[in-house]
Amino acid sequence: GAVVSQHPSRVICKSGTSVKIECRSLDFQATTMFWYRQFPKKSLMLMATSNEGSKATYEQGVEKDKFLINHASLTLSTLTVTSAHPEDSSFYICSASIPRDNEQFFGPGTRLTVL
Amino acid sequence: KQEVTQIPAALSVPEGENLVLNCSFTDSAIYNLQWFRQDPGKGLTSLLLIQSSQREQTSGRLNASLDKSSGRSTLYIAASQPGDSATYLCAGLGNNNDMRFGAGTRLTVKP
Repeated sequence: GAVVSQHPSRVICKSGTSVKIECRSLDFQATTMFWYRQFPKKSLMLMATSNEGSKATYEQGVEKDKFLINHASLTLSTLTVTSAHPEDSSFYICSASIPRDNEQFFGPGTRLTVL
Repeated sequence: KQEVTQIPAALSVPEGENLVLNCSFTDSAIYNLQWFRQDPGKGLTSLLLIQSSQREQTSGRLNASLDKSSGRSTLYIAASQPGDSATYLCAGLGNNNDMRFGAGTRLTVKP
């Protein structure tokens, strides 16, 4: 089956630092990857859609300079939270889609805590 | 913009009961609808995916239905078990490849 990994699974950082989260499709090539954010006891909110080799498309209200997304290859997308603040603490989940059927396969998520 | 609503927000049932979780969506132009399970602090586990041309999908004790015309989907869980306790999320995939999630139903199955 299609497997998506995320690294790290958990990260704690100080305010003002930047954190990079990796999303990899392990056994398939994903032309499109998605980044979601989930607040405690809330649902997932789509942050941005990234296509390999082009700029990410951000959802309304998501700061592109704050959440840098790079999709440099067909198996890797990265989300960098720049100058992190405590309000950025959240659960970040990525997904990757197989073009033929548009099904999205989700990574296990990364829990970010900003002190 | 697609809005997905799940009712109830929380549900508690005794073990062995059959139960139905509801999901409604405002835009019937969905490509597919997917049900997920999420355990506390964990990622998503895909349960069932229904393509827009399908009306239902079954896997073990789970059955999901899709009625695009009414904008509804249901997840039926038969003979519930304590291990079924989790949050269940439904999500509709739009034709622009954008997936919108409901807020989830938190299910507790009591032994």
